[in-house]
Amino acid sequence: QSALTQPASVSGSPGQSITISCTGTISDVGGYNYVSWYQQYPGKAPKLLIYDVSHRPSDVSNRFSGSKSGNTASLIISGLQAEDEADYYCSSYSSSSTLERVFGGGTKLTVL
Amino acid sequence: QVQLVQSGAEVKKPGTSVMVSCKASGYTFTGFAVHWVRQAPGQSLEWMGWINAGNGNTKYSQRFQGRFTITRDTSASTTHMELSSLRSEDTAVYYCAKDLHGGTGFDYWGQGTLVTVSS
Repeated sequence: QSALTQPASVSGSPGQSITISCTGTISDVGGYNYVSWYQQYPGKAPKLLIYDVSHRPSDVSNRFSGSKSGNTASLIISGLQAEDEADYYCSSYSSSSTLERVFGGGTKLTVL
Repeated sequence: QVQLVQSGAEVKKPGTSVMVSCKASGYTFTGFAVHWVRQAPGQSLEWMGWINAGNGNTKYSQRFQGRFTITRDTSASTTHMELSSLRSEDTAVYYCAKDLHGGTGFDYWGQGTLVTVSS
Protein backbone atom coordinates (compact mmCIF):
# COMPACT_ATOMS: atom_id res chain seq x y z
CA GLN A 1 0.00 0.00 0.00
CA SER A 2 1.48 3.32 -1.11
CA ALA A 3 1.85 6.23 1.27
CA LEU A 4 0.03 8.69 -1.03
CA THR A 5 -3.39 7.94 -2.50
CA GLN A 6 -4.11 8.43 -6.18
CA PRO A 7 -7.05 7.25 -8.29
CA ALA A 8 -6.15 4.07 -10.13
CA SER A 9 -7.36 5.43 -13.45
CA VAL A 10 -8.71 8.53 -15.15
CA SER A 11 -9.77 9.12 -18.72
CA GLY A 12 -10.57 11.97 -21.04
CA SER A 13 -11.08 12.84 -24.68
CA PRO A 14 -8.59 14.76 -26.79
CA GLY A 15 -8.74 18.47 -26.07
CA GLN A 16 -10.33 18.03 -22.64
CA SER A 17 -8.74 18.75 -19.26
CA ILE A 18 -8.29 16.17 -16.53
CA THR A 19 -7.16 16.30 -12.91
CA ILE A 20 -5.28 13.64 -10.98
CA SER A 21 -5.39 13.92 -7.21
CA CYS A 22 -2.78 12.86 -4.69
CA THR A 23 -3.80 12.70 -1.05
CA GLY A 24 -1.39 12.41 1.84
CA THR A 25 -1.14 13.69 5.40
CA ILE A 26 0.22 16.66 7.30
CA SER A 27 3.52 14.77 7.52
CA ASP A 28 4.03 14.88 3.79
CA VAL A 29 1.81 16.61 1.20
CA GLY A 30 0.08 18.89 3.67
CA GLY A 31 3.16 19.92 5.59
CA TYR A 32 5.55 20.86 2.80
CA ASN A 33 5.50 22.38 -0.67
CA TYR A 34 7.65 19.52 -1.93
CA VAL A 35 5.24 17.60 -4.15
CA SER A 36 6.48 16.41 -7.53
CA TRP A 37 4.78 14.61 -10.40
CA TYR A 38 6.16 12.09 -12.88
CA GLN A 39 5.00 10.64 -16.20
CA GLN A 40 5.97 7.09 -17.06
CA TYR A 41 5.47 5.18 -20.29
CA PRO A 42 5.56 1.35 -20.23
CA GLY A 43 9.10 0.04 -19.95
CA LYS A 44 10.58 3.53 -19.55
CA ALA A 45 11.97 5.54 -16.69
CA PRO A 46 9.77 8.20 -15.09
CA LYS A 47 10.05 11.79 -16.29
CA LEU A 48 9.72 14.83 -14.01
CA LEU A 49 6.69 16.98 -14.91
CA ILE A 50 6.16 19.21 -11.87
CA TYR A 51 8.26 19.95 -8.78
CA ASP A 52 7.60 21.90 -5.59
CA VAL A 53 3.83 21.64 -6.16
CA SER A 54 3.53 23.90 -9.18
CA HIS A 55 6.92 24.49 -10.83
CA ARG A 56 7.52 23.11 -14.28
CA PRO A 57 10.93 22.19 -15.75
CA SER A 58 11.74 24.13 -18.91
CA ASP A 59 11.33 21.08 -21.16
CA VAL A 60 7.80 20.25 -19.98
CA SER A 61 4.73 21.48 -21.87
CA ASN A 62 2.69 24.23 -20.21
CA ARG A 63 -0.34 21.95 -20.61
CA PHE A 64 0.83 20.36 -17.36
CA SER A 65 0.25 22.26 -14.12
CA GLY A 66 0.11 21.50 -10.42
CA SER A 67 -1.58 22.79 -7.31
CA LYS A 68 -2.18 21.87 -3.68
CA SER A 69 -4.90 22.36 -1.10
CA GLY A 70 -4.46 20.98 2.38
CA ASN A 71 -3.29 17.39 2.24
CA THR A 72 -4.20 16.94 -1.44
CA ALA A 73 -2.11 17.87 -4.44
CA SER A 74 -3.38 17.86 -8.00
CA LEU A 75 -1.91 17.48 -11.47
CA ILE A 76 -3.92 19.14 -14.20
CA ILE A 77 -3.44 18.24 -17.84
CA SER A 78 -5.17 20.56 -20.29
CA GLY A 79 -5.70 20.10 -24.02
CA LEU A 80 -5.40 16.34 -23.65
CA GLN A 81 -3.43 14.62 -26.42
CA ALA A 82 -3.05 10.97 -27.37
CA GLU A 83 0.60 11.08 -26.31
CA ASP A 84 -0.46 11.91 -22.74
CA GLU A 85 -1.68 8.35 -22.28
CA ALA A 86 0.72 7.05 -19.60
CA ASP A 87 1.05 6.36 -15.88
CA TYR A 88 1.39 9.33 -13.53
CA TYR A 89 2.93 9.29 -10.07
CA CYS A 90 3.03 11.89 -7.35
CA SER A 91 5.78 12.08 -4.76
CA SER A 92 6.37 14.13 -1.64
CA TYR A 93 9.00 14.81 0.94
CA SER A 94 7.99 13.20 4.23
CA SER A 95 8.95 13.95 7.82
CA SER A 96 8.27 10.34 8.74
CA SER A 97 11.04 8.68 10.69
CA THR A 98 10.86 5.65 8.42
CA LEU A 99 11.36 7.21 5.00
CA GLU A 100 12.10 10.61 3.52
CA ARG A 101 10.31 10.44 0.19
CA VAL A 102 6.97 8.83 -0.56
CA PHE A 103 5.18 7.99 -3.80
CA GLY A 104 1.58 7.57 -4.77
CA GLY A 105 0.17 4.36 -6.14
CA GLY A 106 0.05 5.74 -9.66
CA THR A 107 -2.76 6.72 -12.02
CA LYS A 108 -3.29 5.27 -15.48
CA LEU A 109 -4.47 7.97 -17.87
CA THR A 110 -6.44 6.78 -20.86
CA VAL A 111 -7.09 9.15 -23.76
CA LEU A 112 -10.35 8.05 -25.33
CA GLN B 1 23.72 16.63 -21.43
CA VAL B 2 23.00 14.94 -18.12
CA GLN B 3 22.99 11.15 -18.26
CA LEU B 4 22.72 8.38 -15.71
CA VAL B 5 23.72 5.01 -17.15
CA GLN B 6 23.06 1.91 -15.09
CA SER B 7 24.59 -1.55 -15.18
CA GLY B 8 22.84 -4.46 -16.82
CA ALA B 9 20.14 -6.87 -15.72
CA GLU B 10 20.88 -9.39 -12.98
CA VAL B 11 19.44 -12.77 -12.02
CA LYS B 12 20.09 -13.75 -8.41
CA LYS B 13 19.21 -16.59 -6.09
CA PRO B 14 17.34 -15.94 -2.84
CA GLY B 15 19.65 -15.11 0.05
CA THR B 16 22.38 -13.64 -2.12
CA SER B 17 23.28 -9.99 -2.81
CA VAL B 18 23.13 -7.75 -5.86
CA MET B 19 25.05 -4.60 -6.74
CA VAL B 20 23.82 -2.12 -9.32
CA SER B 21 25.92 0.81 -10.53
CA CYS B 22 24.89 4.19 -11.90
CA LYS B 23 27.43 6.27 -13.84
CA ALA B 24 26.71 9.99 -14.05
CA SER B 25 27.86 12.44 -16.69
CA GLY B 26 27.05 15.93 -17.86
CA TYR B 27 26.97 17.61 -14.44
CA THR B 28 29.10 18.11 -11.34
CA PHE B 29 28.71 14.70 -9.71
CA THR B 30 29.62 15.85 -6.20
CA GLY B 31 27.10 18.67 -6.25
CA PHE B 32 23.93 16.57 -6.02
CA ALA B 33 22.43 13.65 -4.17
CA VAL B 34 21.57 10.45 -6.02
CA HIS B 35 18.50 8.51 -5.00
CA TRP B 36 17.54 4.89 -5.60
CA VAL B 37 13.94 4.00 -6.41
CA ARG B 38 12.55 0.60 -7.31
CA GLN B 39 9.45 -0.61 -9.12
CA ALA B 40 8.16 -4.16 -8.77
CA PRO B 41 6.34 -5.59 -11.81
CA GLY B 42 3.03 -3.80 -12.29
CA GLN B 43 3.52 -1.81 -9.08
CA SER B 44 4.19 1.75 -8.05
CA LEU B 45 7.52 3.42 -7.35
CA GLU B 46 9.22 2.90 -4.00
CA TRP B 47 11.91 5.17 -2.59
CA MET B 48 14.86 3.28 -1.10
CA GLY B 49 17.43 5.89 -0.09
CA TRP B 50 19.92 8.52 -1.19
CA ILE B 51 23.57 9.41 -1.01
CA ASN B 52 25.09 12.86 -0.92
CA ALA B 53 27.64 12.41 -3.67
CA GLY B 54 29.77 15.19 -2.19
CA ASN B 55 30.32 13.99 1.37
CA GLY B 56 29.04 10.41 1.13
CA ASN B 57 26.28 10.84 3.72
CA THR B 58 23.39 8.46 3.25
CA LYS B 59 19.79 8.05 4.31
CA TYR B 60 17.79 4.88 3.85
CA SER B 61 14.17 3.87 4.03
CA GLN B 62 13.69 1.97 7.25
CA ARG B 63 12.08 -0.78 5.19
CA PHE B 64 15.53 -1.69 3.82
CA GLN B 65 17.67 -0.75 6.79
CA GLY B 66 20.33 -3.30 7.47
CA ARG B 67 20.41 -4.90 4.02
CA PHE B 68 20.71 -1.89 1.72
CA THR B 69 23.85 0.16 1.14
CA ILE B 70 24.63 3.04 -1.21
CA THR B 71 28.21 4.06 -1.93
CA ARG B 72 29.86 6.37 -4.41
CA ASP B 73 33.16 6.61 -6.27
CA THR B 74 33.80 10.28 -7.00
CA SER B 75 36.74 9.51 -9.31
CA ALA B 76 34.38 7.54 -11.55
CA SER B 77 31.25 9.68 -11.00
CA THR B 78 29.48 6.46 -10.11
CA THR B 79 27.01 5.47 -7.43
CA HIS B 80 26.55 1.86 -6.36
CA MET B 81 23.69 0.26 -4.52
CA GLU B 82 23.86 -3.15 -2.87
CA LEU B 83 20.87 -5.10 -1.61
CA SER B 84 21.52 -8.24 0.39
CA SER B 85 19.49 -11.18 1.68
CA LEU B 86 17.49 -11.10 -1.52
CA ARG B 87 14.01 -12.58 -1.64
CA SER B 88 11.54 -13.04 -4.47
CA GLU B 89 9.74 -9.83 -3.45
CA ASP B 90 12.89 -7.88 -4.36
CA THR B 91 12.33 -8.68 -8.03
CA ALA B 92 11.98 -5.21 -9.55
CA VAL B 93 13.44 -2.58 -11.82
CA TYR B 94 15.88 -0.46 -9.84
CA TYR B 95 16.40 3.16 -10.85
CA CYS B 96 18.94 5.75 -9.83
CA ALA B 97 17.74 9.34 -9.99
CA LYS B 98 19.52 12.67 -9.59
CA ASP B 99 18.30 15.23 -7.09
CA LEU B 100 16.79 18.30 -8.70
CA HIS B 101 18.79 21.52 -8.74
CA GLY B 102 16.88 24.31 -7.03
CA GLY B 103 13.91 22.25 -5.93
CA THR B 104 12.72 18.93 -4.56
CA GLY B 105 12.29 16.13 -7.05
CA PHE B 106 14.20 13.79 -9.30
CA ASP B 107 15.11 15.51 -12.55
CA TYR B 108 17.14 12.81 -14.32
CA TRP B 109 16.73 9.06 -14.11
CA GLY B 110 18.82 6.10 -15.15
CA GLN B 111 17.36 3.66 -17.65
CA GLY B 112 16.60 1.14 -14.93
CA THR B 113 18.11 -2.25 -14.07
CA LEU B 114 15.94 -5.35 -13.81
CA VAL B 115 16.88 -7.54 -10.88
CA THR B 116 15.21 -10.94 -10.87
CA VAL B 117 15.36 -13.06 -7.73
CA SER B 118 14.56 -16.67 -8.44
CA SER B 119 15.66 -20.07 -7.27
